[in-house]
Amino acid sequence: QVQLQESGPGLVKPSGTLSLTCVVSGGSISSSSWWSWVRQPPGKGLEWIGEMYHRGSTNYNPSLKNRVTISVDKSKNQFSLKLTSVTAADTAVYYCARHDYGDYVSYFDYWGPGTVVIVSS
Amino acid sequence: DIQMTQSPSSLSASVGDRVTITCRASQSISSYLNWYQQKPGKAPKLLIYDVSNLQRGVPSRFSGSGSGTDFTLSIAGLQPEDFATFYCQQSYTTPYNFGQGTRLEI
Repeated sequence: QVQLQESGPGLVKPSGTLSLTCVVSGGSISSSSWWSWVRQPPGKGLEWIGEMYHRGSTNYNPSLKNRVTISVDKSKNQFSLKLTSVTAADTAVYYCARHDYGDYVSYFDYWGPGTVVIVSS
Repeated sequence: DIQMTQSPSSLSASVGDRVTITCRASQSISSYLNWYQQKPGKAPKLLIYDVSNLQRGVPSRFSGSGSGTDFTLSIAGLQPEDFATFYCQQSYTTPYNFGQGTRLEI
């Protein structure tokens, strides 16, 4: 059973950099899956941030593309999110999730419990 | 980007009712449509993938249908644990957008 767990600072100052890590257990980050970040502002819906494959390929949401970097540390079976130049609009619950692919199917099947990040001075 | 629009935004129902939630994509997404259930303070949970395939462990009272741009999620015989917010999501192309959510209330 794959499990994901997010961690990182819960408070980030405006114009600073948000940095989160997602540790994967019960499975290898070097599998055929992609690994994603999704966020949810308070009281709002879900926004896909981006994803990475263990070999280094990435896809990002164009709405955040210039500020986002997702990277992998295969030795620790974890992946990370960096979001620069944050504002209050980046306050949200941040989830990491596994994006699994099959024959003509694609879905987020395992999620971390989420971590709250507040952008405030 | 492909925009996903759900209706209704909220829905009141009773235990035992049958309810239907619709999701419309701004362009064809073939069958790359998934449904998630989210309860307060919890991560989303995959319910249905590829329009109509139930994820392991999801009760058979949940069903999905549709193709192209129009899709539905139905719940037959609502149970108390089903009251939550439901999201559709397209996985046809990036960015993998979600619908705005449908809150199912008692």
